[in-house]
Amino acid sequence: EAQVTQNPRYLITVTGKKLTVTCSQNMNHEYMSWYRQDPGLGLRQIYYSMNVEVTDKGDVPEGYKVSRKEKRNFPLILESPSPNQTSLYFCASKLGQSSYNEQFFGPGTRLTVL
Amino acid sequence: AQKVTQAQTEISVVEKEDVTLDCVYETRDTTYYLFWYKQPPSGELVFLIRRNSFDEQNEISGRYSWNFQKSTSSFNFTITASQVVDSAVYFCALSDENTGFQKLVFGTGTRLLVSP
Repeated sequence: EAQVTQNPRYLITVTGKKLTVTCSQNMNHEYMSWYRQDPGLGLRQIYYSMNVEVTDKGDVPEGYKVSRKEKRNFPLILESPSPNQTSLYFCASKLGQSSYNEQFFGPGTRLTVL
Repeated sequence: AQKVTQAQTEISVVEKEDVTLDCVYETRDTTYYLFWYKQPPSGELVFLIRRNSFDEQNEISGRYSWNFQKSTSSFNFTITASQVVDSAVYFCALSDENTGFQKLVFGTGTRLLVSP
């Protein structure tokens, strides 16, 4: 089944404890992206990647890191999480850089930082 | 800059009523794409439709229809004969040439509650 998977789905952590949210897609998509969803703000892009070893900042990259060493994986790293990073995170992928292709979203990761 | 406005925060209807969700967008580009996504209570995001800026034809898919009007920068979504399963948050989104089509700009979403 074609899908985007994220792990973990739920995470409660404490301020300053490094964490990684994994994202993997099995559709051989070139493009991958991370968004966060907050009440009243919709979804906002954190980082995106157009291909292996090619990443760029989105609208809210502060406090996050990403890497794209393999085509299928695009982990989101929070080196020192803070309470304002409590949010619902979505990973997405699409076939190519063209916007004609819709983005497929993972199931989401709900993160709480205490 | 790009912007998507969904002025309706929450709409409540009774089953079988028709409901329209509004979406107004802003972009300086002539080439852009508009999307609608559904987020049911389970939380995932489900793609519903894509429309490019050169195609103003309305679209109908079962009980769903979309009205794209460039003159008013709107891309409204109508559900005919709503059902309880339509209860969800609906997001309108925009992607344009200015960003190299590398991101979706989302509206804040409209929560639709359909009661029996």
